[in-house]
Amino acid sequence: GQSLEQPSEVTAVEGAIVQINCTYQTSGFYGLSWYQQHDGGAPTFLSYNGLDGLEETGRFSSFLSRSDSYGYLLLQELQMKDSASYFCAVRPFNAGNNRKLIWGLGTSLAVNP
Amino acid sequence: DTEVTQTPKHLVMGMTNKKSLKCEQHMGHRAMYWYKQKAKKPPELMFVYSYEKLSINESVPSRFSPECPNSSLLNLHLHALQPEDSALYLCASSQGDHNEQFFGPGTRLTVL
Repeated sequence: GQSLEQPSEVTAVEGAIVQINCTYQTSGFYGLSWYQQHDGGAPTFLSYNGLDGLEETGRFSSFLSRSDSYGYLLLQELQMKDSASYFCAVRPFNAGNNRKLIWGLGTSLAVNP
Repeated sequence: DTEVTQTPKHLVMGMTNKKSLKCEQHMGHRAMYWYKQKAKKPPELMFVYSYEKLSINESVPSRFSPECPNSSLLNLHLHALQPEDSALYLCASSQGDHNEQFFGPGTRLTVL
């Protein structure tokens, strides 16, 4: 089967760095994406890793290692507004052109003062 | 215009009602999606339209009926829903093989 595993909850303080891991079991996929969703809001796209390595976008970075079946989202200089749920997602090769994403169950990040 | 809009924001309906959810995007995206999301869960794919044709139906009950009138619009017609259908209904669009999907703000649906 295909599944993505993430920690259910992470707690950190303002200004800190937090890493949210995503491990997966899937035969092959186009890339790993991360989405952020605030309570009551819609998911918003954060980052995409099509190739192994690190992608950096401001305070957020994302990493993928296909050989280790592993990726992570790194959030630096945490702010209260970063409190949200974070989902990793992949589009498996067998989805063809149908663009179906497989989603992790999400990580609820709480940033405390 | 880089956003997906959805109406209404909130909807309360009885089990015998017929209602429709609407979604619109003007980014030229050729794939549009309906998702259902329960609290503390990831979005659950319902339907995908690609180039205005239904390409995925995730075994959704027939009381949900999607429609894509043109490349910018997506509707979800609701009829004879059950209380367990209460959820946040999200529309999204995407272009190309990139995983990035743009989500609308959603419709919070309550079925009484």
